[in-house]
Amino acid sequence: KQEVTQIPAALSVPEGENLVLNCSFTDSAIYNLQWFRQDPGKGLTSLLLIQSSQREQTSGRLNASLDKSSGRSTLYIAASQPGDSATYLCAVRRSSYKLIFGSGTRLLVRP
Amino acid sequence: NAGVTQTPKFRILKIGQSMTLQCTQDMNHNYMYWYRQDPGMGLKLIYYSVGAGITDKGEVPNGYNVSRSTTEDFPLRLELAAPSQTSVYFCASSYSGTGGEQYFGPGTRLTVT
Repeated sequence: KQEVTQIPAALSVPEGENLVLNCSFTDSAIYNLQWFRQDPGKGLTSLLLIQSSQREQTSGRLNASLDKSSGRSTLYIAASQPGDSATYLCAVRRSSYKLIFGSGTRLLVRP
Repeated sequence: NAGVTQTPKFRILKIGQSMTLQCTQDMNHNYMYWYRQDPGMGLKLIYYSVGAGITDKGEVPNGYNVSRSTTEDFPLRLELAAPSQTSVYFCASSYSGTGGEQYFGPGTRLTVT
């Protein structure tokens, strides 16, 4: 059974710091991995989608990497800003149509 | 483009009542999904649909029903609401199944008392 774990559960950093969020999964047979942002009381916003054949994806200050063999993905946020404060969720897609989600990392960027 | 819309945003139900959560997407996506998110947890799949007239169970389907009569709409029906169904419900859609990015609606916060 595929399990997705995100560590740490919560993170607080000063503004301007570069940071890394971690996601690990137990079964490497995945189609893709998706990173989402969730603001309090809001829905999910897709940040990056990495197909299983890709090693990384970049969007602005965000960079996501994927290492299928070790069952790991990282989301790198450069020069963090208070507006980056949110919960970040990763989800993997296996052989069916469903996404299997981690429980998220709550990020607080302090001014 | 409205994307994925959900109604209502909030609802309080008494135990045993029924209701339908509405979901509509305007992106002409074939694939649609219903998830629930309990506090401090990730999302779990309730039901999904790969096209009009085709639905299938996800991880946690008990107590729910769905239908998909059109490409745009994918309503979720709760029969005989129970406190365990207190959660935030998200609808999502995607262009393709295994490879496509999923787009989410804003959610419906449901409380059953």
